[in-house]
Parts: sequence; structure tokens; C-alpha cells
Amino acid sequence: DAGVTQSPTHLIKTRGQQVTLRCSPISGHKSVSWYQQVLGQGPQFIFQYYEKEERGRGNFPDRFSARQFPNYSSELNVNALLLGDSALYLCASSLFPGANEKLFFGSGTQLSVL
Amino acid sequence: EDQVTQSPEALRLQEGESSSLNCSYTVSGLRGLFWYRQDPGKGPEFLFTLYSAGEEKEKERLKATLTKKESFLHITAPKPEDSATYLCAVQAGPETGGSYIPTFGRGTSLIVHP
Repeated sequence: DAGVTQSPTHLIKTRGQQVTLRCSPISGHKSVSWYQQVLGQGPQFIFQYYEKEERGRGNFPDRFSARQFPNYSSELNVNALLLGDSALYLCASSLFPGANEKLFFGSGTQLSVL
Repeated sequence: EDQVTQSPEALRLQEGESSSLNCSYTVSGLRGLFWYRQDPGKGPEFLFTLYSAGEEKEKERLKATLTKKESFLHITAPKPEDSATYLCAVQAGPETGGSYIPTFGRGTSLIVHP
């Protein structure tokens, strides 16, 4: 079975540009979460979606937005990119957003902002 | 606010030299503590979930334990292929102000030399 897939794997953008990252969850998983991981740190929570509705949002500016589609895939959008947005962006899926639900992560999108 | 602190930040071991990684947490109403392994350039991979103090889980050379304030990941006779970053995450439930969204620590980078 396919795991969580993310695209693209690498991306280089310049300051002020906009970027869209994509994620396909494991088949049957209805919850998708997005995390930002800066080098040397743990993943920081950005968004969680379940059944196309936002269920949680981390401490990130409004430049960050996301959505989930009827097939449970998801997109993360970041506008007006800053140098500090350079990071590994991870998507994780689970059956549902509940207690003790382990997360299955994709390999991430490495975003570099120049 | 939930806090997860992992120590040490980095650990170098010789093959066969057993050791332990620490994850201390301050969260009300712990619903689950998770251990993940992350290889360079990849997303975290689930290892264990612990639910209550006194619980232990094992997988090959790894054993995770949980107390009311911390968790240990014991590595017995490690091999070079155990080299990775080990992440700890805690999850609290809404009954104590949490949201089931896991909070990650910064991780411990483990290098095992042959």
C-alpha cells in the first residue's frame, strides 16, 4: 500500500513569492496534518483537517492557509514568502483526529526561500 | 502550555554500547506519549505509543518506558543502522485544555559508530 505522498520533494522560491505544497494521505485516512520542521528542531504543528474541515491551527501567521479536498488530499499554501519560511514541510495522515492516533508522515517538501 | 524536552541533544555511541534517551514533559491529562524515528531527509516513522505510567514497550533493540513526568528510550547493543534522530511527542485531551494534537520535542540525534 502507498504511504503518504508529498509533492514536490524540493522547491526553491524567492522572497515574496507564493508556494503550494500537496499531500495525498494513506488510503482510508481522513485526517491530514501539516507540520513545519526547521533544521535541528522538532516538527511544529501548522494545521489539521478532518473531513474537509479545519480542526486545529498552530501559531502561524495568516500567510499560511490550507484546505482538504473530497478525496482527502490536501494543499498547504504560503503567501509572501520570507527567508524564515525555509524548512521541511511535513504532511501526516491518520484515520481520524483523536486520542492515541499515531501519525503517518510523508517524506516532506524541502522549501528553500532565497 | 505543553512542553516537551528531550536530552541529550546529540549522542554518539560505539556499536554495542547501550544507552538511554530522555523525554521529560509537562502536560495535564496525558493521553499518549509517542516515540518516532526520523532519518535524514525523511519524515518521522512511528515507533511506540505509551499511555500510562509504568507502561513499557519493546521493539528489537529499543525499549520505551513511561513515568508520570518522563519517558526513556533505552537502546540495547545499538548498531550503526540505529543512527537517526529520535523524536518524542505528547498528546493531551480536550478535557484538560488539550486538543489531541501532538506536541513534539526537538529530538535526540543518535550516531552509532561501527
